Amino acid sequence: KAGVTQTPRYLIKTRGQQVTLSCSPISGHRSVSWYQQTPGQGLQFLFEYFSETQRNKGNFPGRFSGRQFSNSRSEMNVSTLELGDSALYLCASGTGNTEAFFGQGTRLTVV
Amino acid sequence: GQNIDQPTEMTATEGAIVQINCTYQTSGFNGLFWYQQHAGEAPTFLSYNVLDGLEEKGRFSSFLSRSKGYSYLLLKELQMKDSASYLCPAKAGTALIFGKGTTLSVSS
Repeated sequence: KAGVTQTPRYLIKTRGQQVTLSCSPISGHRSVSWYQQTPGQGLQFLFEYFSETQRNKGNFPGRFSGRQFSNSRSEMNVSTLELGDSALYLCASGTGNTEAFFGQGTRLTVV
Repeated sequence: GQNIDQPTEMTATEGAIVQINCTYQTSGFNGLFWYQQHAGEAPTFLSYNVLDGLEEKGRFSSFLSRSKGYSYLLLKELQMKDSASYLCPAKAGTALIFGKGTTLSVSS
């Protein structure tokens, strides 16, 4: 059974640009969550999607957005990038009721 | 507010037993997870407790007390490969709320 796949693995962007990250969940999983991981703050919840609907949102500015497609794949977008957005972005998939399985993450560096 | 507290760092010796404590304050509590994360890798699932009590899985056991907002992960017969960060996110609604994790260093 394939795991959670995130692309790209690494990304370097300039301040002010926008970026789109992709997450393909484990087959059959309809819940996809996104997290930002930084050394100072640890893992912080961004948002969760289930069957194309955003069910929950963390405390991040509106520059962070996401969506989920009918095949459960999800994308998150960050607009007007800031240096502080440099982080590891992790996506996790699940059935919505039990444990979440994490992807390897996308390492975003904003310069 | 939502808050998870864990010790920042712990050290132990190969073959020993170590207990990593976690206290939580969350609204809409729906269970507590333990994940292991090696440097540069994705977190991997270890255990899930939603009811009070002890869950045992091989060398790892996890305990939950909902009334005290407290959990612990017990690791027995420590091995060098257990050196990692241990995370105890609480499930609040459909979100996982994380603390900053506990870095465990196992030495020979």
